[in-house]
Amino acid sequence: GAGVSQSPSNKVTEKGKDVELRCDPISGHTALYWYRQSLGQGLEFLIYFQGNSAPDKSGLPSDRFSAERTGGSVSTLTIQRTQQEDSAVYLCASSLLGQGASPLHFGNGTRLTVT
Amino acid sequence: SQQGEEDPQALSIQEGENATMNCSYKTSINNLQWYRQNSGRGLVHLILIRSNEREKHSGRLRVTLDTSKKSSSLLITASRAADTASYFCATDLNQAGTALIFGKGTTLSVSS
Repeated sequence: GAGVSQSPSNKVTEKGKDVELRCDPISGHTALYWYRQSLGQGLEFLIYFQGNSAPDKSGLPSDRFSAERTGGSVSTLTIQRTQQEDSAVYLCASSLLGQGASPLHFGNGTRLTVT
Repeated sequence: SQQGEEDPQALSIQEGENATMNCSYKTSINNLQWYRQNSGRGLVHLILIRSNEREKHSGRLRVTLDTSKKSSSLLITASRAADTASYFCATDLNQAGTALIFGKGTTLSVSS
């Protein structure tokens, strides 16, 4: 595709429900990142995938958060038993090289609202 | 924390003026990147400057890097209303050495 695609663009869910956020990276990009951005704040790193290596999950805020990347391409971020503090914009990015060595290409994000 | 810190947090200027934003960081870096974010959108990469470079240009953008002071600046010349956005620097990697760490950004408002 032309860029990183995220879906849905907006998601409203009730507290306690599970949600799945999807990211389609740019074809050929080996590195994939998930970040979270609260209103007026910077980006909070969540998880990083690089090729077939074990993902870096060091940024996940709790065990309610998990992510997978199937076939080295599409990634899904799952939040179980959502809480109101999970409300934020979830941004996915991919890059040709990992470890900050090349520019990150971001999707437009999924705005999650937990009511 | 190793993240970059942008300064100022907010900047308001008139069209045609220059805008300068600064980024300071704490440890040695291999490269530093600047990004722009329009309201409600994802981040767009502007410039990547490597640690052995001192200055880089792209159109109306000029980035400088001073590794001795651990600081970088982003200059936007002849600003336009369309430059209104938040600007972020990304410097270090996280402790695992994988992901970029972003600052909280500078919000630039350009009025016509």
